[in-house]
Amino acid sequence: AQTVTQSQPEMSVQEAETVTLSCTYDTSESDYYLFWYKQPPSRQMILVIRQEAYKQQNATENRFSVNFQKAAKSFSLKISDSQLGDAAMYFCAYRSINDMRFGAGTRLTVKP
Amino acid sequence: DTAVSQTPKYLVTQMGNDKSIKCEQNLGHDTMYWYKQDSKKFLKIMFSYNNKELIINETVPNRFSPKSPDKAHLNLHINSLELGDSAVYFCASSQDRNSNQPQHFGDGTRLSIL
Repeated sequence: AQTVTQSQPEMSVQEAETVTLSCTYDTSESDYYLFWYKQPPSRQMILVIRQEAYKQQNATENRFSVNFQKAAKSFSLKISDSQLGDAAMYFCAYRSINDMRFGAGTRLTVKP
Repeated sequence: DTAVSQTPKYLVTQMGNDKSIKCEQNLGHDTMYWYKQDSKKFLKIMFSYNNKELIINETVPNRFSPKSPDKAHLNLHINSLELGDSAVYFCASSQDRNSNQPQHFGDGTRLSIL
């Protein structure tokens, strides 16, 4: 089974600064996708960004970008110009045709 | 309009009871999921249905039985509830079962077993 590892249980960042959340995964499949989801205190899971494994170009969504290193099986999330509303649990997720795995999550605190 | 809705939001019940959680999506998606999030926030997939057909069935006690009457609904029935079943259960849906489709989540149902 595929595993997804988030080695940082907690991270904090000063408002307006940049923070990077790490994620590594293990797989023998060639066709898969990677996602970052955000779970604020309201509990709802919200998609942040998505990366296709076959694409070398890193995905970007406004202040959110990823650093995808396929050979290293690494998929980190960079949040630029952090805002108070970014405070949440962040989950890295792996998906293939028959599998869906989430990391254990990283709790991000944003300090004003 | 709520895209993926689960009911109830909170469920408090005693050990040994049988309970159901309902999920409905109005997105026209083909694929639906049930996840369990434990007290440490670890999120684990339990089941997935595609057009009413079971496609993912993780190692889950057979006290848990999903039912999909149509592709817009995926309900979760739990028999003989145990203390370890206490968790937040999330329903989700995606356009189809292809890997590139993001999932849309419901707000979760917090199940507490007394």
